[in-house]
Amino acid sequence: EVQLVQSGAEVKKPGESLKISCKGSGYTFSDYWVGWVRQRPGKGLEWMGIIYPGDSDTVYSPSLQGQVTISVDKSTTTVYLQWSSLKASDTAMYYCARPVDGPWGQGTLVTVSS
Amino acid sequence: DIQVTQSPSSLSASVGDRVTITCRASQGISNYLAWYQQKPGKVPKLLIYGASTLESGVPSRFSGSGSGTDFTLTITSLQSEDFATYYCQKYNTALPTFGQGTKVEIK
Repeated sequence: EVQLVQSGAEVKKPGESLKISCKGSGYTFSDYWVGWVRQRPGKGLEWMGIIYPGDSDTVYSPSLQGQVTISVDKSTTTVYLQWSSLKASDTAMYYCARPVDGPWGQGTLVTVSS
Repeated sequence: DIQVTQSPSSLSASVGDRVTITCRASQGISNYLAWYQQKPGKVPKLLIYGASTLESGVPSRFSGSGSGTDFTLTITSLQSEDFATYYCQKYNTALPTFGQGTKVEIK
């Protein structure tokens, strides 16, 4: 079964760093783009960026460039989303997904609050 | 960047109604357009890709049309389980873009 499994919910304080993960299985991991989608509470879906595990080619949304880092570890078939300094506005559900036909991960809820 | 504008942002409808949601791209994207359904607290579900191809397992009351810049999602006879938020997504480049979403509510 093709699936993406994400790490668990996180509660952090403003200014802290965070790295969440998305592990792919059931397919040739290097051959498919995997991206991150943000959904703030009560808001719509927004692609943050996407990475091609085969060569680590990464494309970021212009509005998020420099705010987050997307990386990959092919040896563990895992894609990561990382923040160096969280803000309250980063509070959201984060999904990893293969574009269009999926699958999607189950989502990771990140709460940033003092 | 190509922008995607979805309308309306919300609508109220009754069971059995025909519902139409539109998505407009600021430049032509051929047929690289998908439609998703999302229910509260759930992962988005793919309904249609390639502008008009129904994903396996999706009821035939859902249909998509369009090419270039103008696209439509139609639900021919709205069912109770269809009350949800719908998103279009263009994917003509590596990084896709979602529309703003349309919330379909019970009248």
